[in-house]
Order: sequence, then structure tokens, then C-alpha cells
Amino acid sequence: EPEVTQTPSHQVTQMGQEVILRCVPISNHLYFYWYRQILGQKVEFLVSFYNNEISEKSEIFDDQFSVERPDGSNFTLKIRSTKLEDSAMYFCASRRSFTEAFFGQGTRLTVV
Amino acid sequence: KNEVEQSPQNLTAQEGEFITINCSYSVGISALHWLQQHPGGGIVSLFMLSSGKKKHGRLIATINIQEKHSSLHITASHPRDSAVYICAVRADNQFYFGTGTSLTVIP
Repeated sequence: EPEVTQTPSHQVTQMGQEVILRCVPISNHLYFYWYRQILGQKVEFLVSFYNNEISEKSEIFDDQFSVERPDGSNFTLKIRSTKLEDSAMYFCASRRSFTEAFFGQGTRLTVV
Repeated sequence: KNEVEQSPQNLTAQEGEFITINCSYSVGISALHWLQQHPGGGIVSLFMLSSGKKKHGRLIATINIQEKHSSLHITASHPRDSAVYICAVRADNQFYFGTGTSLTVIP
């Protein structure tokens, strides 16, 4: 069964460092998403991406965040200068136009 | 902004019991998803609904578009069903998530 793959599963980084979280969506999917879940809180939408551009983003997704689909298969989330409050589980998801969204297993980001 | 409310927040059931989790949302949606999150954190999509009812094994999901309400039912619950169940609605290419229902099924 096709699946969304995220790497790494766990990343520890120093405050102020840049991190790139990687996702490989399902190959024929067209819509891509990033979410985060701070420990003990609900899942929050960050950004959606379609046709090689951002289609929606939340208030959380400020100038410190960016997304890219550099090579037609990977979908990355970059955090330019990490803060302690960026520590969370980050989920990637993808879907075709009228299907369920498929989620990756998540990357646990710990900023120290 | 779409407000998504789930109830109950926590649920403990005996193995074999019939379980219902409810989700209400505030504005029109394109689709509603039921997700399952296991203790390790990974999320699995159970259903996507835009109308009516879907069944998969012991899981049944229903949606009433007019009432802006969906239910997830688990028949003959089993300890392996223990997880957090999350309702998420899609509108304007964004997803809005409920806070989740933590289900524990006791043998």
C-alpha cells in the first residue's frame, strides 16, 4: 500500500539553527500539507501546497517557515532559525483531489 | 475559521462495548476525516466523508451535512482500538482539527 514517508523520525537541534524536515508524498498525489502537534495539544494546520505553490497557510506559518518541492518527489519544510516553542511533532500529508489525506508517521523535532 | 468540537474528550470502555465519538463543526466543509493517532504519535486516516455513511470492518462513520455533525462508531471494541481519535474537517484547502477523543478499551 502506498504511504507517505517522513525523515528523520526524530531531530534534535540547537535553538537558532535551521532545520529541514523531509517528506515523500504518495507519487500521484497533488495536494500536500504540513501540520504540527505540540505535545499534549491538538494538531494544527501549517500550510497547504498545490501546483508548486502555497495555497493556504496559517498564522503559525510565518517568515521563519518555508516549503519546497525541489525535485517533484520530496516535499520539505524548513524552519530558518528554530525556537524552543518549535518543538513539536511535524506531520506531512498528501491527497489526490477527491480522496482521503494520507499522513506520514511524523518527525519529532526537539529544540534545545 | 472552522471550530471543530469533539466529545467525549476521554472514554473508557470494556472490551466488546459499542462506542460512539461525536464531532461537530461550525461552517461548511468539503470533507470530514476521521483519524486515529496511536501512542507513538503516527496518524492513520480511517475515513473521509462528504455525505452519508461509510463502513470499514468494525468502524462506521456517519455525517449529517445539514446538522454539521459526524459520528464515529466502533462495534465490538477491542483493546487494540485504544488510541486517540481525531476529527478533522477540510474547508478552503485547510484542515481544522478537533482536540481528539482518547479511547481506552479494557480487556
